Amino acid sequence: GEDVEQSLFLSVREGDSSVINCTYTDSSSTYLYWYKQEPGAGLQLLTYIFSNMDMKQDQRLTVLLNKKDKHLSLRIADTQTGDSAIYFCAERRLNDYKLSFGAGTTVTVRA
Amino acid sequence: DVKVTQSSRYLVKRTGEKVFLECVQDMDHENMFWYRQDPGLGLRLIYFSYDVKMKEKGDIPEGYSVSREKKERFSLILESASTNQTSMYLCASSFRQVSNQPQHFGDGTRLSIL
Repeated sequence: GEDVEQSLFLSVREGDSSVINCTYTDSSSTYLYWYKQEPGAGLQLLTYIFSNMDMKQDQRLTVLLNKKDKHLSLRIADTQTGDSAIYFCAERRLNDYKLSFGAGTTVTVRA
Repeated sequence: DVKVTQSSRYLVKRTGEKVFLECVQDMDHENMFWYRQDPGLGLRLIYFSYDVKMKEKGDIPEGYSVSREKKERFSLILESASTNQTSMYLCASSFRQVSNQPQHFGDGTRLSIL
């Protein structure tokens, strides 16, 4: 949706780090999520961050949140071919159980 | 593990037909959602339901209706299918509490209207 914006494509070499960026507009956003969609499949929750956190790390994944700029990023360390997918950023607003999704970033990992 | 099951992976229907897409979840979730996914547009919410027989319109409800007769099942209905409803349809579910309760998704139904 237009409230959550992501670049559409990212190409990265195998073994490098990938950084996927997302901006959102609503300052009342409480949780921000990253989902992964592999070809022909549904969305798989990768990780999330609460709005009072700046950073969250989970194995190869690092989420950074800049609440002042309303900017969220997902860093994937040591990117592998299995990381090729569409990555969606989503926000949940205060007192709302609906999510607003970005358009998705298609990540292509090249050898 | 949460399981959200959509009845068909691929479906081909004709213009004007009434189309039913079914979704079942096994985690006793109160909330269920229907989205459509189109390239460059991401996921757009069609309808959601927060309890049996309860429903609310999402961002793009026109041309669609829903039914929630049992807690575990949420149906999306295309009353009279049109070619612009060709899309990937995703069902999701979650607990009702407005804390961190992520939505869990099915594998999607790719619907083609000819």
